[in-house]
Amino acid sequence: GAVVSQHPSWVICKSGTSVKIECRSLDFQATTMFWYRQFPKQSLMLMATSNEGSKATYEQGVEKDKFLINHASLTLSTLTVTSAHPEDSSFYICSAREALAGGPYEQYFGPGTRLTVT
Amino acid sequence: RKEVEQDPGPFNVPEGATVAFNCTYSNSASQSFFWYRQDCRKEPKLLMSVYSSGNEDGRFTAQLNRASQYISLLIRDSKLSDSATYLCVVKWGGFQKLVFGTGTRLLVSP
Repeated sequence: GAVVSQHPSWVICKSGTSVKIECRSLDFQATTMFWYRQFPKQSLMLMATSNEGSKATYEQGVEKDKFLINHASLTLSTLTVTSAHPEDSSFYICSAREALAGGPYEQYFGPGTRLTVT
Repeated sequence: RKEVEQDPGPFNVPEGATVAFNCTYSNSASQSFFWYRQDCRKEPKLLMSVYSSGNEDGRFTAQLNRASQYISLLIRDSKLSDSATYLCVVKWGGFQKLVFGTGTRLLVSP
């Protein structure tokens, strides 16, 4: 099946710093990538949807100026958590949807990035 | 009301048992339905899609009732390796947005 990678797999940073997370589709082109966040014992919550070459669409309640998303190519999307705070500590997971005409538009998930802000 | 609701469990069952999970969704315009499996500290992985006619994949059987907005997953002959969290997922909207339930945790013991 299609492979999606994320880097780093885990990161610890100090409060106030920025962290960049990369999401790559390794063996397919992804016109659309999704960014999710999962807090302990909670469900995955969609943060934003990004289409290659255009601005991301953020879900209600997600600050676009805090969570910067760039989808510059068909195989790479980045999420930058700016001025991170302890409450941003979470499991961030990306998924990529293959660019197939007519669907079925299956999403492939990356292995996730565990962010801890101290 | 949550968009996708599941009993969080945990369900503790012995090996070989049959266990069933249920899920309800609130958006009647939902288009597609799935069960995902998530192991601790890992990404979710697609277990199976759920079709209106019901479908089976080995020991796993999924059912969908659109009228009641209800989805189920049945696992027969549970294995230790089935221990995980099972996520009910619904897809809807023009962007094919996936909405996840909080998951039901299954623990299979020897």
